[in-house]
Amino acid sequence: GENVEQHPSTLSVQEGDSAVIKCTYSDSASNYFPWYKQELGKRPQLIIDIRSNVGEKKDQRIAVTLNKTAKHFSLHITETQPEDSAVYFCAAEPKGTYKYIFGTGTRLKVLA
Amino acid sequence: SQTIHQWPATLVQPVGSPLSLECTVEGTSNPNLYWYRQAAGRGLQLLFYSVGIGQISSEVPQNLSASRPQDRQFILSSKKLLLSDSGFYLCAWAGSGNTIYFGEGSWLTVV
Repeated sequence: GENVEQHPSTLSVQEGDSAVIKCTYSDSASNYFPWYKQELGKRPQLIIDIRSNVGEKKDQRIAVTLNKTAKHFSLHITETQPEDSAVYFCAAEPKGTYKYIFGTGTRLKVLA
Repeated sequence: SQTIHQWPATLVQPVGSPLSLECTVEGTSNPNLYWYRQAAGRGLQLLFYSVGIGQISSEVPQNLSASRPQDRQFILSSKKLLLSDSGFYLCAWAGSGNTIYFGEGSWLTVV
């Protein structure tokens, strides 16, 4: 079955710097890759997603890149702000399985 | 618009007691439904998913079970709770567009 690895587990950046979180997946049939942000004690919220027919997607300060050959995808946050501090999860869904397998999460701290 | 409701929000249960968490989705039909568990400070573990009424797939062998008695209702149960069952339980749904949406979660503490 699908396995998703996520790195780093914790990440501290200065306000205004960029943050990058990387995930690798094992199932080459995976074709949908969402990213979620979870604030303390709350539910995960979708922030951006990408499908396997696209290499990059951007939404304001957030971007996701996908390398299908290497089977990895990354979240990029530019001009980080204190409110970006949260736990971020990546996920992968093998096509046709309806199963979303999540990475172990990255705790991002943006230092003011 | 679609909404997902999950309850109870918090509960404290003794070891060996039963459990029932309920989740309902509104504003959509035939959703895929999911139960995830999140241990303190940990990732999201897929427990069960369902693609239709009465269709349940289990991902992790354990003392939990799930049922889908109606199209938009998903229930997580246990006959006898263990200490290791403590955690944050999240119900979720997905439609034809792949995106998965989570409920507000249920905090379970087994004492």
